[in-house]
Amino acid sequence: QVQLVESGGGAAQPGGSLRLSCVASGFSFRTYGFHWVRQAPGKGLEWVAFISDDSNKEYYEDSVKGRFSVSRDNSKNTLYLQMDGLRSEDTALYFCARDSGYDSRNFDYWGQGTLVSVSS
Amino acid sequence: DIQMTQSPSSLSASVGDRVTITCRSSQTIDNFLNWYQQKPGKAPKLLIYAVSNLQSGVPSRFRGGGSATDFTLTITNLQPEDFATYYCQQGYSTPLYTFGQGTKLEIK
Repeated sequence: QVQLVESGGGAAQPGGSLRLSCVASGFSFRTYGFHWVRQAPGKGLEWVAFISDDSNKEYYEDSVKGRFSVSRDNSKNTLYLQMDGLRSEDTALYFCARDSGYDSRNFDYWGQGTLVSVSS
Repeated sequence: DIQMTQSPSSLSASVGDRVTITCRSSQTIDNFLNWYQQKPGKAPKLLIYAVSNLQSGVPSRFRGGGSATDFTLTITNLQPEDFATYYCQQGYSTPLYTFGQGTKLEIK
């Protein structure tokens, strides 16, 4: 069955860095694009970043442009989110989610999330 | 950017009731409208895709409708497990997807 498992969250100071990982299993990882979506405590869902199946396309939400970088290793079935220059407003539960494809355009599978907390 | 606005933000209902949640987009999004259910501490779950198509395993008491900029999620015969937060999401501006702010469905 499809499974996405995030890791790498934790506490960081403002200006610090974290690298999140998302390991996929149960499907052909290399044929799907992936997203990172976050949810601040008590708030709604916010799209953060996308990477295409072949890594040729990357997109970012405006507030993370220049600070976050999404990447993937298709040989390891793993998605990454490098988070630099962290701010308090980046505190959130971060989910990786699979893109269902151009025809459907939704997040059809999600990981359980990894919590990032940014404070001094 | 395409903005998604849900109403109401919260809703109280009883088991067996019928409820409707509305989602409006700031521009036409064709049929690229999806709905998710999220329970506390859990990941969102895709319920309905492309306006009205139920994801596999989703009960038929969930129904989606609408077109262009105005969409609805209707749940009939509410069950205890349906009390959750619901989000709409547009896929028109792929892959820069956006969500509505959510509607929390609570037990009356």
